Amino acid sequence: GAVVSQHPSRVICKSGTSVKIECRSLDFQATTMFWYRQFPKKSLMLMATSNEGSKATYEQGVEKDKFLINHASLTLSTLTVTSAHPEDSSFYICSAAGTGINNSPLHFGNGTRLTVT
Amino acid sequence: SQQGEEDPQALSIQEGENATMNCSYKTSINNLQWYRQNSGRGLVHLILIRSNEREKHSGRLRVTLDTSKKSSSLLITASRAADTASYFCATDAKETSGSRLTFGEGTQLTVNP
Repeated sequence: GAVVSQHPSRVICKSGTSVKIECRSLDFQATTMFWYRQFPKKSLMLMATSNEGSKATYEQGVEKDKFLINHASLTLSTLTVTSAHPEDSSFYICSAAGTGINNSPLHFGNGTRLTVT
Repeated sequence: SQQGEEDPQALSIQEGENATMNCSYKTSINNLQWYRQNSGRGLVHLILIRSNEREKHSGRLRVTLDTSKKSSSLLITASRAADTASYFCATDAKETSGSRLTFGEGTQLTVNP
């Protein structure tokens, strides 16, 4: 089945530093990837839609300058949390949709636990 | 924006019993999907039901969809301790494009051995 790899699984960083999270589709091409944020015991909140070769589409209330998304190839999207603060600590999950596929399930990475100290 | 709601928020049952989780949504949909999440992990797709379908089965899973009531249910039969996880419904709304899903709040299922 389709596999999405997300790295790193855990990261601890100091306030003010930037953290990059990678999301790779291993055995299929993903024209679209989605980045979510999840608080403990809560649902997934869509942050942005990442489209290969174009700018990401951010959800209302998500700062695009703080959460930089790059989707440079059909198999890789990255989320960079810039100038991280403790309130950015959360569980970040990416998912990917295949090319030309509608009405199909998303494939999720295993998430990244970010802790900002 | 559409927001799915699930009930119950938490469900605790004994192994062998059936577990039923419900999901309600607000807009017209292309399909509704159910996902499972083990603690601290990503989501795993369980089953997808299209808007023109009323019921779907996959192994011990049974999903129903009532578009007139904008609701769906997930039934897990003969539950096992390994079914312990959070379960989320997600809707693919007609007003949006390209697999952009809206997730419900989830049900935390605990199956006691």
